[in-house]
Amino acid sequence: DAKTTQPPSMDCAEGRAANLPCNHSTISGNEYVYWYRQIHSQGPQYIIHGLKNNETNEMASLIITEDRKSSTLILPHATLRDTAVYYCIVRVPGTYKYIFGTGTRLKVLA
Amino acid sequence: NAGVTQTPKFQVLKTGQSMTLQCAQDMNHEYMSWYRQDPGMGLRLIHYSVGAGITDQGEVPNGYNVSRSTTEDFPLRLLSAAPSQTSVYFCASSTNLGPSSYNEQFFGPGTRLTVL
Repeated sequence: DAKTTQPPSMDCAEGRAANLPCNHSTISGNEYVYWYRQIHSQGPQYIIHGLKNNETNEMASLIITEDRKSSTLILPHATLRDTAVYYCIVRVPGTYKYIFGTGTRLKVLA
Repeated sequence: NAGVTQTPKFQVLKTGQSMTLQCAQDMNHEYMSWYRQDPGMGLRLIHYSVGAGITDQGEVPNGYNVSRSTTEDFPLRLLSAAPSQTSVYFCASSTNLGPSSYNEQFFGPGTRLTVL
């Protein structure tokens, strides 16, 4: 079954890089890894996605291991507004069922 | 664009009552879905739809019904509310580029439901 595993919480100093890991060892070869975040109790917000190659956008970078069994989301210069729960998400292969894990609660410290 | 809207924002029900949570999107998205989020937990998929007239079950469908008569609307019905259905409910939508393609989901603000 599709599943993701993330550490429950992490702290990061403001201005430093936040590196959030995710294990998705059961991912199939043609499924994307998605990252979303949820600030307070708002609806989750899309951050980035990737398939095989590393990806970067204005919000973050995504590093995917060569075997695709894990990935790391990098917030290069974390700010207090990046304090949120970060979810690594995969889809059940060949379906439209997205599987959220329990996420990582990131606290950015001043 | 209003994006994804959900009504009501808050609702209190008594055990056994029924109600419908409303979800609408104005982005002409084919794919819509409902999630529930229990305290301290991630989101779990209840039902989803890939277009008008087409729905399917997610991880936790029991106790909920859906229908999709238009592209814009995807209501979630609680048939007979139970305390175990106390949760925050999120609706989401995306373009439907196929199950092996990238699909960014846009989430609504949520409905906070308490069943007494």
